[in-house]
Amino acid sequence: DTAVSQTPKYLVTQMGNDKSIKCEQNLGHDTMYWYKQDSKKFLKIMFSYNNKELIINETVPNRFSPKSPDKAHLNLHINSLELGDSAVYFCASSQGFRGGYTFGSGTRLTVV
Amino acid sequence: GQQVMQIPQYQHVQEGEDFTTYCNSSTTLSNIQWYKQRPGGHPVFLIQLVKSGEVKKQKRLTFQFGEAKKNSSLHITATQTTDVGTYFCAGFPSGNTPLVFGKGTRLSVIA
Repeated sequence: DTAVSQTPKYLVTQMGNDKSIKCEQNLGHDTMYWYKQDSKKFLKIMFSYNNKELIINETVPNRFSPKSPDKAHLNLHINSLELGDSAVYFCASSQGFRGGYTFGSGTRLTVV
Repeated sequence: GQQVMQIPQYQHVQEGEDFTTYCNSSTTLSNIQWYKQRPGGHPVFLIQLVKSGEVKKQKRLTFQFGEAKKNSSLHITATQTTDVGTYFCAGFPSGNTPLVFGKGTRLSVIA
């Protein structure tokens, strides 16, 4: 069983579209995250969700909105996609903020 | 905000040579974590260091946490082609906030 699973693995879409990425973890962790990895491999935190508390990174455009129906799921919805949104998006989870993070396999988003 | 700096950005070594990557923080870290990302893969947790001056080993990998808890290093002895990938250090800025990652060191091993 995959511990942290993301879908889709690849996403190619046109500018201006709205898309969602889904993430599920079966580790029983209470904290989940979205990270963005750009072409230079820099991993940047976007959001974290801990026991229904959402921590927002202020540098993330409000076109990005996370949704967590329960502590095992953290989805990412993106409105009005732009070329600069092209990147690999990783979901991750941990037990509390201080535990080791388990990452999903990533979603490669390409905006054309 | 806190920054975690990592050097070198790239390292090319012959198989069998040693490799070290260094991580420095502008502020004291409560702990530090190390991750490895294979080409085309996702980051995988390697280890967490918590105590000042702590040294931990995993086979050919040696991890150190500085006495002041502001720096850390990962040393690989006698690299193998399976060590290829990007190694990230990561620390917590403060309180209940997520990990901040360094920019990583990309290791290439020439057979």
